[in-house]
Amino acid sequence: QKEVEQDPGPLSVPEGAIVSLNCTYSNSAFQYFMWYRQYSRKGPELLMYTYSSGNKEDGRFTAQVDKSSKYISLFIRDSQPSDSATYLCTYQFYFGTGTSLTVIP
Amino acid sequence: EAQVTQNPRYLITVTGKKLTVTCSQNMNHEYMSWYRQDPGLGLRQIYYSMNVEVTDKGDVPEGYKVSRKEKRNFPLILESPSPNQTSLYFCASSSAGPVFGEQFFGPGTRLTVL
Repeated sequence: QKEVEQDPGPLSVPEGAIVSLNCTYSNSAFQYFMWYRQYSRKGPELLMYTYSSGNKEDGRFTAQVDKSSKYISLFIRDSQPSDSATYLCTYQFYFGTGTSLTVIP
Repeated sequence: EAQVTQNPRYLITVTGKKLTVTCSQNMNHEYMSWYRQDPGLGLRQIYYSMNVEVTDKGDVPEGYKVSRKEKRNFPLILESPSPNQTSLYFCASSSAGPVFGEQFFGPGTRLTVL
């Protein structure tokens, strides 16, 4: 079992939609998670991080961790074409495979 | 500008021909890592370094070597490349390590081994 597993997608949504991206993790000791965004032909960049259970909000983005189910989620509200990218969840140096998102104008 | 640079950005080579991919960061970070990114497998860590002269294996170190003689540089060496090392490679640096610290990634090196 991989340390971090991610829905592979791809996802295609209309502009303005709410997007939900999800990951699961295997080690219950994990407490600090990050989401990276990777545009085509670029290196990943940190989008946001979240610690332990609960939600963290940053503008249109909300990161959520559910420790009981070992579930990590990233929600994007009012999605924009500029959100089209691959989203990677990670703990330490364990990365999910990434979910490719396309937001259609 | 704070950045991680990699060279070359694209490389096509043949089996067995030694090559080096350079990585340099200008942020005075202690931690540096090399990853490879493959479709369906995501980013996998090859090697990491916690400081000068301190390196350790990641998840997929076979066929690779690294060195950390200076804080800013962390080259990746493939002494005898094989086709299964065809991949997209990223170097990353961090001030606090990957557990709590943001990793800054380079632009990537696309390697093809024929």
